[in-house]
Amino acid sequence: DTGVSQDPRHKITKRGQNVTFRCDPISEHNRLYWYRQTLGQGPEFLTYFQNEAQLEKSRLLSDRFSAERPKGSFSTLEIQHTEQGDSAMYLCASSPGKRGTGELFFGEGSRLTVL
Amino acid sequence: QQPVQSPQAVILREGEDAVINCSSSKALYSVHWYRQKHGEAPVFLMILLKGGEQKGHDKISASFNEKKQQSSLYLTASQLSYSGTYFCVDGGSNYKLTFGKGTLLTVNP
Repeated sequence: DTGVSQDPRHKITKRGQNVTFRCDPISEHNRLYWYRQTLGQGPEFLTYFQNEAQLEKSRLLSDRFSAERPKGSFSTLEIQHTEQGDSAMYLCASSPGKRGTGELFFGEGSRLTVL
Repeated sequence: QQPVQSPQAVILREGEDAVINCSSSKALYSVHWYRQKHGEAPVFLMILLKGGEQKGHDKISASFNEKKQQSSLYLTASQLSYSGTYFCVDGGSNYKLTFGKGTLLTVNP
């Protein structure tokens, strides 16, 4: 079990550019979550998947954000036409999906800086 | 809806106790507690599912009131390693987990 891995760990981009983050969950975890965290705040829910199905997407997410989880394995989060307000840590987490445990296993995050 | 935590920050000396409270205007399906150390990812502490439940391991425990609208995290005989930000999380009936804003705990020697 290698844990949840995210790539890249850091991304600096110019306003207007597109960026894509990748998340590899713990194998056999069928739930995968994306959160965004800014300094001094708690993780903010963006979206989550059960296997390959995207079950919920935050209303805070604009159309510039899209996430996929093809074949229910890794996931990508793409941000189009980045804005300075998108600067944040993007956290991915996976869960075995058993209601009783509820534990989310987080990756180290991908830090985005939009200049 | 985001659970509300109090206090926002607390400073302790090693060996002192602390209580972090979490409340919601609606009954929660479950409540989770996470700790995040500076520069690291959040780490799961525990989950409470039932009203009136109390759970704990070592010197960190939590309670969930009967109405499932309030939870408290208890840290006893604090250690330096307890420092970090503690998050209360609404477990959600639809698997959507909503984090509170967090309580920054600092334990000094």
